[in-house]
Amino acid sequence: DVQMTQSPSSLSASVGDRVSISCRASQSMSKYVNWFQQKPGKAPKLLIYAASSLSSGVPSRFSGSGSGTDFTLTISSLQPEDSATYYCQQSYSSPLTFGGGTKVEIK
Amino acid sequence: QVQLVQSGAEVKKPGASVKVSCKASGYMFTTYEINWVRQATGQGLEWMGWMNPNSGNTGYAQEFQGRVTMTRDTSISTAYMELSSLRPEDTAVYYCTTRSHTTISGVVYNWFDPWGQGTLVAVSS
Repeated sequence: DVQMTQSPSSLSASVGDRVSISCRASQSMSKYVNWFQQKPGKAPKLLIYAASSLSSGVPSRFSGSGSGTDFTLTISSLQPEDSATYYCQQSYSSPLTFGGGTKVEIK
Repeated sequence: QVQLVQSGAEVKKPGASVKVSCKASGYMFTTYEINWVRQATGQGLEWMGWMNPNSGNTGYAQEFQGRVTMTRDTSISTAYMELSSLRPEDTAVYYCTTRSHTTISGVVYNWFDPWGQGTLVAVSS
């Protein structure tokens, strides 16, 4: 199975900060990575697909980059509503797997 | 708009089975594969498997082989996930989600969107 390792597991940042979350895959997978945002008690929401394509309706402060084994989700200017847990997910091979999550808190 | 609405919370005893439904609206039900993902309290996301609503074909994660069955009723645009031989560690929120796809530079990419609201299944004696 492909392992997706996210770092950090949590972070705290101020409104307006630039925040980056890393996801490393255990094998090379081109751009077969998606990113999700999940708020407490809610279903995950798609932010980024194919490593760098922004999902419809998602604010442009979210961006994704990377290919191969290293991927990054960046929030260019952190907003209060961005407080959530973020997950990467590989769509390269079955079983589909998720990273362990990164909890983002606002200082 | 595309929407998935799941059945309500369930409480089951160990060894029992549970069947969760996922009703789709806003699109042709047979167009997109339905996947199921679960999340134990305070834990991460775990993919369980997929079902093609058109053919009924399925594929399950190894961990759930022999215990999970994914089916559908196309007449009411509803998918089902049944999990048997429940144990306390199956206590989780279960989500259905559609797997959408697109082609970028000749390569097909897919992702999960949208998701149902989730169904809590609690297993306790």
